Amino acid sequence: AQTVTQSQPEMSVQEAETVTLSCTYDTSESDYYLFWYKQPPSRQMILVIRQEAYKQQNATENRFSVNFQKAAKSFSLKISDSQLGDAAMYFCAALNFDMRFGAGTRLTVKP
Amino acid sequence: ETGVTQTPRHLVMGMTNKKSLKCEQHLGHNAMYWYKQSAKKPLELMFVYNFKEQTENNSVPSRFSPECPNSSHLFLHLHTLQPEDSALYLCASSQDSGQGNYGYTFGSGTRLTVV
Repeated sequence: AQTVTQSQPEMSVQEAETVTLSCTYDTSESDYYLFWYKQPPSRQMILVIRQEAYKQQNATENRFSVNFQKAAKSFSLKISDSQLGDAAMYFCAALNFDMRFGAGTRLTVKP
Repeated sequence: ETGVTQTPRHLVMGMTNKKSLKCEQHLGHNAMYWYKQSAKKPLELMFVYNFKEQTENNSVPSRFSPECPNSSHLFLHLHTLQPEDSALYLCASSQDSGQGNYGYTFGSGTRLTVV
């Protein structure tokens, strides 16, 4: 099964600035999908963005974008113009036959 | 609500108790999942059901017993748990286990405390 590593347990960003969350993964499969999920204090996991491994173009969703480096097995999330509502746990995940998650990064947004 | 509802939201149980967690989805999905979320650890996939059939059991102790009576409902029966089983238990669903590429839809979880 694939493994996912998030090396930053905590990150902090000033409101309106940009922050990048890191993620690396390991899989022997050639066809897979990558995701970033957000978990606010309400505990519900919310899908932020997804990337298809066979697509070279980086996915973008409004203020959220990814830097997908397939050869390096890296999948970082960039949040632009950070807002107070972005404060949450962020989980990177990889899907082949099932979805595996990293340990998460807690993002704090300072006003 | 997200479309995936979990009850109860909080549960405190003794080690000798028997309790059940419930998950319900009305998204028309055919695959459902149980995950365990412990602090500072990756989410652990416990069980996978596809079209009501269990397709994956990730070496979960027998004190956790899943049940999937239909594609909309998933239960996790608990008995003789240990304090280390205290965690957030998340339920998720997807169209089917081979079509999760649009992501899973999660519930808000049950916070379980074993005393």
